[in-house]
Amino acid sequence: GDSVTQMEGPVTLSEEAFLTINCTYTATGYPSLFWYVQYPGEGLQLLLKATKADDKGSNKGFEATYRKETTSFHLEKGSVQVSDSAVYFCALTRGSYIPTFGRGTSLIVHP
Amino acid sequence: SQTIHQWPATLVQPVGSPLSLECTVEGTSNPNLYWYRQAAGRGLQLLFYSVGIGQISSEVPQNLSASRPQDRQFILSSKKLLLSDSGFYLCAWSGLAGVFHEQYFGPGTRLTVT
Repeated sequence: GDSVTQMEGPVTLSEEAFLTINCTYTATGYPSLFWYVQYPGEGLQLLLKATKADDKGSNKGFEATYRKETTSFHLEKGSVQVSDSAVYFCALTRGSYIPTFGRGTSLIVHP
Repeated sequence: SQTIHQWPATLVQPVGSPLSLECTVEGTSNPNLYWYRQAAGRGLQLLFYSVGIGQISSEVPQNLSASRPQDRQFILSSKKLLLSDSGFYLCAWSGLAGVFHEQYFGPGTRLTVT
């Protein structure tokens, strides 16, 4: 079956540092890929998405590129802020009603 | 624009008591609806999903049930709560139109079973 693997957290960074959160997936065909963010005490929000190979999703300074050859969708941001502290989820869908989520990666940004 | 509501926001219930959590969606028709639980950490566990009124699929056998009495209303229930039912419950919707199936989540209900 489909699966999504994210790097274990927490990821701890200082403000203005570069962020990478790794995400790899296993799925047949051509899934759509997503990053969601969950701030403390809130529901998940869609952060960005990519629907085909080599697509780059971007939003709020975050970027991720759909790499079919490495089955990856790593999340990056050039300069993190304290307000980016949250849990980040990588996910995929393959045209069915049920998405597959990773376990989430906690990001802590210190001033 | 579409919005999704959940209530209550927080709930403290004794073991053995009943449960009813409600989710409603505005601004869209015939959405797919989902109930998830996050327990003691970050992972999401899909509990139920629905593709239409009265159509419920269960992903995990347990003492919870779900119902969809109206197109944009999704209810999570239990007749007798267990301690292990404590957690953060999230409702989500996705649209049938389009192929990308991104989900939109509600604000969640924090349930503590004592």
